[in-house]
Amino acid sequence: SQQGEEDPQALSIQEGENATMNCSYKTSINNLQWYRQNSGRGLVHLILIRSNEREKHSGRLRVTLDTSKKSSSLLITASRAADTASYFCATDPERGSTLGRLYFGRGTQLTVWP
Amino acid sequence: NAGVTQTPKFQVLKTGQSMTLQCAQDMNHNSMYWYRQDPGMGLRLIYYSASEGTTDKGEVPNGYNVSRLNKREFSLRLESAAPSQTSVYFCASRRQGDQPQHFGDGTRLSIL
Repeated sequence: SQQGEEDPQALSIQEGENATMNCSYKTSINNLQWYRQNSGRGLVHLILIRSNEREKHSGRLRVTLDTSKKSSSLLITASRAADTASYFCATDPERGSTLGRLYFGRGTQLTVWP
Repeated sequence: NAGVTQTPKFQVLKTGQSMTLQCAQDMNHNSMYWYRQDPGMGLRLIYYSASEGTTDKGEVPNGYNVSRLNKREFSLRLESAAPSQTSVYFCASRRQGDQPQHFGDGTRLSIL
């Protein structure tokens, strides 16, 4: 399977704490993307990291990519109750392709308690 | 700016009935995608259209057909619905290159 796999499947923390989610994948990638899904809604893109990048930041989000280990992590700092959602990693494995097909993992359900 | 719009939001069908799920995007995106999301399975690609006039199978195309009606619209058809097709269906679109996908809010489909 080309899918990414997130770990843990579920994460429960208090407001103010940091949340770390991991993603492992099996094939070489063009880029890796993280999405958030609130209950009953569609996925919302958070951040894209290319295969030649090691780290990216966006507000309270920090994403790292280790292509040698075929893994990525998403760190949310100073979590808020509004961060409660499912988080998915998605890999774009087709270098040079214009198809843009993504392969999603099964997601991490993050719950942030007030 | 509505983004990606899916209709209907909810639908209940009987086994053997047919229906078409509609998707439209107003962002002038080139590529469009249909996914299904099942509990514990993540999202799986059913069909995609890399550009207007082209469609290709994804991971789980059996039992479905698609039509890229124009650059804005990409429909998914179930010809003879089966209980195994009970799922939440998401449409997405993407401009080109290393750009993220934009998702609609989904169609929740139950087949009895």
